[in-house]
Amino acid sequence: EVQLVESGGGLVQPGGSLRLSCAASGFTFSTYGMNWVRQAPGKGLEWVSYISSSSRTTYDADSVRGRFTISRDNAKNSLYLQMNSLRDEDTAVYYCARDKGGETDFDYWGQGTLVTVSS
Amino acid sequence: DIQMTQSPSTLSASVGDRVTITCRASQSISTWLAWYQQKPGKAPKLLIDKASSLESGVPSRFSGSGSGTEFTLTISSLQPDDFATYYCQQYNSYRTFGQGTKVEVK
Repeated sequence: EVQLVESGGGLVQPGGSLRLSCAASGFTFSTYGMNWVRQAPGKGLEWVSYISSSSRTTYDADSVRGRFTISRDNAKNSLYLQMNSLRDEDTAVYYCARDKGGETDFDYWGQGTLVTVSS
Repeated sequence: DIQMTQSPSTLSASVGDRVTITCRASQSISTWLAWYQQKPGKAPKLLIDKASSLESGVPSRFSGSGSGTEFTLTISSLQPDDFATYYCQQYNSYRTFGQGTKVEVK
C-alpha cells in the first residue's frame, strides 16, 4: 500500500525557517517524481514544488522561488522541503504528492502537515 | 504561467441531480488536465486523468470531457458522498490548480 507521511510542521515566526519531510513507503520511491502542494486555511490548492526521480530537475512556484528548496534522498525514501524567509502567507497545510507518471497529475497524497507563520 | 478558471465557485444541488463544473485554461493544454475531489480535512483524491480517463475505483457517474482550453466534469446523478470541493489541475506546463468548486446541499 502506498503511504506518504509528512512531518515537520509547526509554528514559526516570520522570517524563520522550517524543514518538512515526507516519508514514502509501498512503492519504488526512486522511480517517481514528487511534489509539494499547499492549502491555506479555507483556501484552494496551490502547487509549490516538483522534483524529478533522480533530483536532476526541480521546479518551484513563483510565490516560493528563492525561498523554498525541494530535495529528496532516494536511499531513505524521503522527500524534503526546506522553507526559509517564511511569511504570513506561507501559513498552510503542506501535502506531499506523487506524480502519477512523468511530470503529470498526482495519484497519491499524504495527510498533510500544518505550517503556521505568526509572531 | 497558465491560469485555470473554474465555474461556478459554489454549486447547490440535490441528490440525483446532474452536475456540471467547467474549467477554462488561459492557453491550450491539450488534454493535460486532471480533476480532484476533496472533502474537509482530507487530502485531495484523483478522479480523472488526461481530461477524460476515469481513475480506477472512481464511480462511473463521474465523467470528464474537453480539450484545448475548455473542460467539464460531470456527475450524472449526484450521490450523498459527492458533496465536496472539486479542483481541476493542468499539467501541460508546471502545475496549476483551479480555484475550486464547492458542491453543497440545496
